[in-house]
Amino acid sequence: EAGVTQSPTHLIKTRGQQATLRCSPISGHTSVYWYQQALGLGLQFLLWYDEGEERNRGNFPPRFSGRQFPNYSSELNVNALELEDSALYLCASSQTRDSFQYFGAGTRLSVL
Amino acid sequence: GNSVTQMEGPVTLSEEAFLTINCTYTATGYPSLFWYVQYPGEGLQLLLKATKADDKGSNKGFEATYRKETTSFHLEKGSVQVSDSAVYFCALFLRDNQFYFGTGTSLTVIP
Repeated sequence: EAGVTQSPTHLIKTRGQQATLRCSPISGHTSVYWYQQALGLGLQFLLWYDEGEERNRGNFPPRFSGRQFPNYSSELNVNALELEDSALYLCASSQTRDSFQYFGAGTRLSVL
Repeated sequence: GNSVTQMEGPVTLSEEAFLTINCTYTATGYPSLFWYVQYPGEGLQLLLKATKADDKGSNKGFEATYRKETTSFHLEKGSVQVSDSAVYFCALFLRDNQFYFGTGTSLTVIP
């Protein structure tokens, strides 16, 4: 069974640009979560999608947004990129809203 | 608020040494507690979990006991191996469906 897959593996952008990160959950999982792992800050919760709806949001500005598609895959969009957005972005999925989260390998975003 | 405080690393141990990585938490409500491991170049993997007080989670020789009285979930292993070199994250999970992670502890095991 395939795990959570994220693409691209690496993404290099410049300040002010937009970044789009993609996530495919484990088959049968309906919830998708996004986390940011920035150097020295640990993992921070970004967004949670369930059944196509945004259910919860962490303490991030509105330029971090996303969506979940009918097939439960998800996109994370970061607009007006800033240098401090450079981080590893992890996606996780769970079978139901209360079950364990399984993580992908992440997308490393570098903002120059 | 909800938070996890983890022992700062990096931690360097010789093979077969005893490992303890301390984790304490602050939470409203009744969290579930987790340890995740991140091997170099890989994503997070669930290592073990405990869902209520006094539960002991165990996997691959690692153990952690959910201590409500001390709000702790320390990770232990009796004899580490080189292959255990990784970053370990303590996390709590609440009904708001958020994980709150510690900052991670890097472990290097030398032969």
